[in-house]
Amino acid sequence: AQRVTQPEKLLSVFKGAPVELKCNYSYSGSPELFWYVQYSRQRLQLLLRHISRESIKGFTADLNKGETSFHLKKPFAQEEDSAMYYCALSGSARQLTFGSGTQLTVLP
Amino acid sequence: EAGVTQSPTHLIKTRGQQATLRCSPISGHTSVYWYQQALGLGLQFLLWYDEGEERNRGNFPPRFSGRQFPNYSSELNVNALELEDSALYLCASSRDRGVYGYTFGSGTRLTVV
Repeated sequence: AQRVTQPEKLLSVFKGAPVELKCNYSYSGSPELFWYVQYSRQRLQLLLRHISRESIKGFTADLNKGETSFHLKKPFAQEEDSAMYYCALSGSARQLTFGSGTQLTVLP
Repeated sequence: EAGVTQSPTHLIKTRGQQATLRCSPISGHTSVYWYQQALGLGLQFLLWYDEGEERNRGNFPPRFSGRQFPNYSSELNVNALELEDSALYLCASSRDRGVYGYTFGSGTRLTVV
């Protein structure tokens, strides 16, 4: 079975502060991990995937297989980063399992 | 490039009726996924279609069913609607069976009264 846990439902930080959204997963094989973002009144969209090792909008995420984590980080939060963030895992069954999401609010 | 399109945007049905939701994937995408996003329950996987076949289904009763057509568009049918079926139903599509992630549509808001 595959499971994704996002322990924080709500997270507030001030503009310019670092932000880290936590994601832990449970999966026996080699997972593929993703972060999705949903801005207010917009559709869910892919933010980044671990296989690409890319940085999108200043966000990065590193897969830590030892800790089974895939935390999303940004050194300096911006107000436009306020959104709902979902961590997701794709296993051998090839469908995404989503975490429950973290609502990030960046305060001015 | 046109994105994933879903119709209708909103749907209101009476308990016991049937609902049909439609999804057109991005051109070139052969996989279609359906998710239910109910209030407080997050995104729950419903069904996955690839190349016209059902590849996997989530933990939902058989009254949730669907199909994928030769042009890769898909239909989700929900029979004998119950009040708790009220939710946002999201469709996503992908190429290469989702290796590169999914692209989501805007969803169909189903309300059962």
